[in-house]
Amino acid sequence: GESVGLHLPTLSVQEGDNSIINCAYSNSASDYFIWYKQESGKGPQFIIDIRSNMDKRQGQRVTVLLNKTVKHLSLQIAATQPGDSAVYFCAGSGGGADGLTFGKGTHLIIQP
Amino acid sequence: DAGVIQSPRHEVTEMGQEVTLRCKPISGHNSLFWYRQTMMRGLELLIYFNNNVPIDDSGMPEDRFSAKMPNASFSTLKIQPSEPRDSAVYFCASSFGGGYVEAFFGQGTRLTVV
Repeated sequence: GESVGLHLPTLSVQEGDNSIINCAYSNSASDYFIWYKQESGKGPQFIIDIRSNMDKRQGQRVTVLLNKTVKHLSLQIAATQPGDSAVYFCAGSGGGADGLTFGKGTHLIIQP
Repeated sequence: DAGVIQSPRHEVTEMGQEVTLRCKPISGHNSLFWYRQTMMRGLELLIYFNNNVPIDDSGMPEDRFSAKMPNASFSTLKIQPSEPRDSAVYFCASSFGGGYVEAFFGQGTRLTVV
């Protein structure tokens, strides 16, 4: 099955700096990955996704990088803002029929 | 659209009681997921419906848990009997096109079993 983990449980960055949140996965057959943001008391909210036929995908202020060789993906957030404070989850396919396996999450803290 | 709607938002019940969580997916979505979130285990997929049919229930922890989707606009997750270890936040999510696309999550139901 899929095992998805994050390198750091907490990441603290200065407002305005760029943030990089990392994620490793174990199933080399995984072909779909997704990042979610969860604010306190709310459900996860989609940020960006990427399929295994891509190495990079960009959204508004966010970029996801996928390195299939080392089974690693990262979420980059440019010019971090206070509203970016949240827990960020990566998830990958391979957890069963259409099932995504979620990592434990990284808590991003924005310092003023 | 109001998004995925879950009820209740909070539920406190005594051990042994039956608990029913409810979900209304986004209109037009054909896939529905139930997740459980705890500090220890993170976010776990319990069951996945496609076109109202359960496709994968391998995440359902045991027979005390059951889920139904009688129509495209309503689903329930039932725990009977409930146990303290069932305490968690339960999320319902829906999508159009299965699991490998963006899913929209509800606000969750925080369940506490005492």
